[in-house]
Amino acid sequence: EPEVTQTPSHQVTQMGQEVILRCVPISNHLYFYWYRQILGQKVEFLVSFYNNEISEKSEIFDDQFSVERPDGSNFTLKIRSTKLEDSAMYFCASSEVWGLAGEGETQYFGPGTRLLVL
Amino acid sequence: QKEVEQNSGPLSVPEGAIASLNCTYSDRGSQSFFWYRQYSGKSPELIMFIYSNGDKEDGRFTAQLNKASQYVSLLIRDSQPSDSATYLCAVNKWVSGNTPLVFGKGTRLSVIA
Repeated sequence: EPEVTQTPSHQVTQMGQEVILRCVPISNHLYFYWYRQILGQKVEFLVSFYNNEISEKSEIFDDQFSVERPDGSNFTLKIRSTKLEDSAMYFCASSEVWGLAGEGETQYFGPGTRLLVL
Repeated sequence: QKEVEQNSGPLSVPEGAIASLNCTYSDRGSQSFFWYRQYSGKSPELIMFIYSNGDKEDGRFTAQLNKASQYVSLLIRDSQPSDSATYLCAVNKWVSGNTPLVFGKGTRLSVIA
């Protein structure tokens, strides 16, 4: 069964360093997302992406964050200058639209990257 | 303002019993409703979704939706110890593709053997 993959599974970095988190969405999906989950808290939306453009971003997704689809398969999240509070689990998701008239959308999550900023 | 609320639990049920998980949401424009299961340290795994009022069954799972009451529930029949996890309710205001999910904090379920 196709699945979303993410690399690395764990990343430890120093405050102020840049990190790039990588995702390979499910191949026939068109819509992509990044979410994050701080330990013990809820899953929070960061950004959605379609057709090589950001569709929507949350308040969390400030100028330190960027997303890119550098080729036909990878989808990346870059944090330019990491802060302590960026420590979290980062999930990539991709989705398919179902129904003949596009009645809905189902998102499937990758295994996540655990980012620890020291 | 919290948009999706769930009782954090833990909800403890004996093996073989029915587990009932509840979720309320504040945005009346919400269209689609999802239940994800999340084991500790793992990613959310989709269990099922519902978008019409009423019940939807999938194996041991039944989702129930009442849009007038802004209430979604998940019933797990014949609960097994392997069902012990955190169950996340998520909603979105489906209009077209690329609609973000809004998650609740989750309910921790513990099935006692």
